[in-house]
Amino acid sequence: AQSVTQPDIHITVSEGASLELRCNYSYGATPYLFWYVQSPGQGLQLLLKYFSGDTLVQGIKGFEAEFKRSQSSFNLRKPSVHWSDAAEYFCAVCAEKDEKLTFGTGTRLTIIP
Amino acid sequence: DGGITQSPKYLFRKEGQNVTLSCEQNLNHDAMYWYRQDPGQGLRLIYYSQIVNDFQKGDIAEGYSVSREKKESFPLTVTSAQKNPTAFYLCASTDGTGSYEQYFGPGTRLTVT
Repeated sequence: AQSVTQPDIHITVSEGASLELRCNYSYGATPYLFWYVQSPGQGLQLLLKYFSGDTLVQGIKGFEAEFKRSQSSFNLRKPSVHWSDAAEYFCAVCAEKDEKLTFGTGTRLTIIP
Repeated sequence: DGGITQSPKYLFRKEGQNVTLSCEQNLNHDAMYWYRQDPGQGLRLIYYSQIVNDFQKGDIAEGYSVSREKKESFPLTVTSAQKNPTAFYLCASTDGTGSYEQYFGPGTRLTVT
């Protein structure tokens, strides 16, 4: 069975600083990987996804993520965060031909001035 | 505008009562999902349905029931058998074309006392 680990429960970053949120997955075959963002009390919005090909994927709101098979990782990055990026971020994985997602426990991002 | 609606936003019930959460989508999506979200635990899959009149249990189906009589509707009933029903419930859908992107509703916060 697949699993996702987000080792950081809470991260605080200064506005304008760079950001990296960690995600490690466990899955036997090639995983399909996703990053979602959730504002407080709201549903989730897809930031980006990786299926195959170029291991660096670009998403919405200036986010990118890099798939590293050797490290079983799919870390999310942003070069300069804005106060509006404060939210909870979830990494998720699914198998090919199976649209059921397995989510990590999330990382809450706080932005300070 | 197309999307997923969940109602109500907040729901309060007494222990021992069944309660039904609504999920409606006008995206013409085939597959629909119900997740439960608890602090620090991410999203966990309760039930999913890939086609009308068919649904499968997810990872935490005990104490819940669903129906899928119409393509656009996937109501979730939280029964009195669910030991810890207080949680944030999220409904999602996918179009089944292989994009794997799940579209989420705004969620319903259920409080049982």
